[in-house]
Amino acid sequence: NAGVMQNPRHLVRRRGQEARLRCSPMKGHSHVYWYRQLPEEGLKFMVYLQKENIIDESGMPKERFSAEFPKEGPSILRIQQVVRGDSAAYFCASSPSVWDIVVFEQYFGPGTRLTVT
Amino acid sequence: GENVEQHPSTLSVQEGDSAVIKCTYSDSASNYFPWYKQELGKRPQLIIDIRSNVGEKKDQRIAVTLNKTAKHFSLHITETQPEDSAVYFCCSSGGYQKVTFGTGTKLQVIP
Repeated sequence: NAGVMQNPRHLVRRRGQEARLRCSPMKGHSHVYWYRQLPEEGLKFMVYLQKENIIDESGMPKERFSAEFPKEGPSILRIQQVVRGDSAAYFCASSPSVWDIVVFEQYFGPGTRLTVT
Repeated sequence: GENVEQHPSTLSVQEGDSAVIKCTYSDSASNYFPWYKQELGKRPQLIIDIRSNVGEKKDQRIAVTLNKTAKHFSLHITETQPEDSAVYFCCSSGGYQKVTFGTGTKLQVIP
């Protein structure tokens, strides 16, 4: 059973370019979460998605950042017109379906390390 | 929103000694408290979790305790080994699934 997959593992972009990060959840998981981690810091929640729906994007910057989880294919985190401050590790996690208020474990992918030059 | 505070930020122990990491949370609606271990350059790995209807949980050398009234929870590692060296994050989550991470504790186990 493959775990959460992310690609690319490393991404270098020049300022002003677009970055696309992909996340394939574990088999059977329909919930995806994106987190950002700056060096020497904890992970910060960005967005929570189910198939074709954004459930909570309260941690996402209002501009330049967007996320989707289409019916088919991986979840994508898109950063337009990247700036140096976007350099970070971006982790996605997945979990099984939600049952009312029951919370399930989140399993993390290996991360994408974005470097903006 | 939820705020999770974690102490200490760094912790050095001799191999074989115990390590304790303490956290507090602010949202009384939080009901799930996972702990993640992250080695340098790696993904966070879930090592243990506790739900709000339980006060204590143990898994071999690792134990977690939860005091809902005080909004405190803690991680205890006994008989520490060099491979326990990593950054540990306490977290909290409500039914909404959004996980709030603490600031991390860098644990160093000295052989």
